[in-house]
Amino acid sequence: EVQLVESGGGLVQPGRSLRLSCTVSGFTFGDYAISWFRQAPGKGLEWVGFIRVKPYGGTTEYAASVKGRFTLSRDDSKSIAYLQMNSLKTEDTALYYCTRIGSYCGGDCYSDFWGQGTLVTVSS
Amino acid sequence: DIQMTQSPSTLSASVGDRVTITCRASQNINYWLAWYQQKPGKAPNLLIYQASSLESGVPSRFSGSGSGTEFTLTISSLQPDDFATYYCQQYSSYSITFGQGTRLEIK
Repeated sequence: EVQLVESGGGLVQPGRSLRLSCTVSGFTFGDYAISWFRQAPGKGLEWVGFIRVKPYGGTTEYAASVKGRFTLSRDDSKSIAYLQMNSLKTEDTALYYCTRIGSYCGGDCYSDFWGQGTLVTVSS
Repeated sequence: DIQMTQSPSTLSASVGDRVTITCRASQNINYWLAWYQQKPGKAPNLLIYQASSLESGVPSRFSGSGSGTEFTLTISSLQPDDFATYYCQQYSSYSITFGQGTRLEIK
């Protein structure tokens, strides 16, 4: 059974950092890119960024709203993807989801499996 | 960024109805479009990808169509389990964007 489990969310003050983890099972982690999304309370879905597989350099793409503050990485030996969030703002408050997408994110950049999400609250 | 506009924002319908949700892209996205269903407190669930391909395990009453800038999601005969929020998503560019969502309510 394919599973993605996010962790690491919590309450953090503006300007501080937080690292989210996405632990996967049920498929070969190294064969898939991982995309992150977020959903502010009562709002719609927003893409955060994705990280490609190692054969494609493990390269990343980010939404303009987080570029330069957030960094994606992956540890294929542990089947874990990370979202490092720095310089957090109140508007980053949301439920953060990790998802499985195709290896490169071209025509296969849709999310066929989602985690349950982890809540990040940025507040003083 | 490519803007995605869904209509309507809210749709009231009854069990057994045929409903259609529309999604328009601000520029040509070919057929790089997906549809998701989200229920309260749950993660989104993929229904359709590549505009018209039905995801495995999704009931055949769901169908998608369109290309270029205009797309539709159709539910042929609404079931009680279908009352939820639906989102379209374009993945034509590396800056992925969603429509604002359509809330499907029981009439």
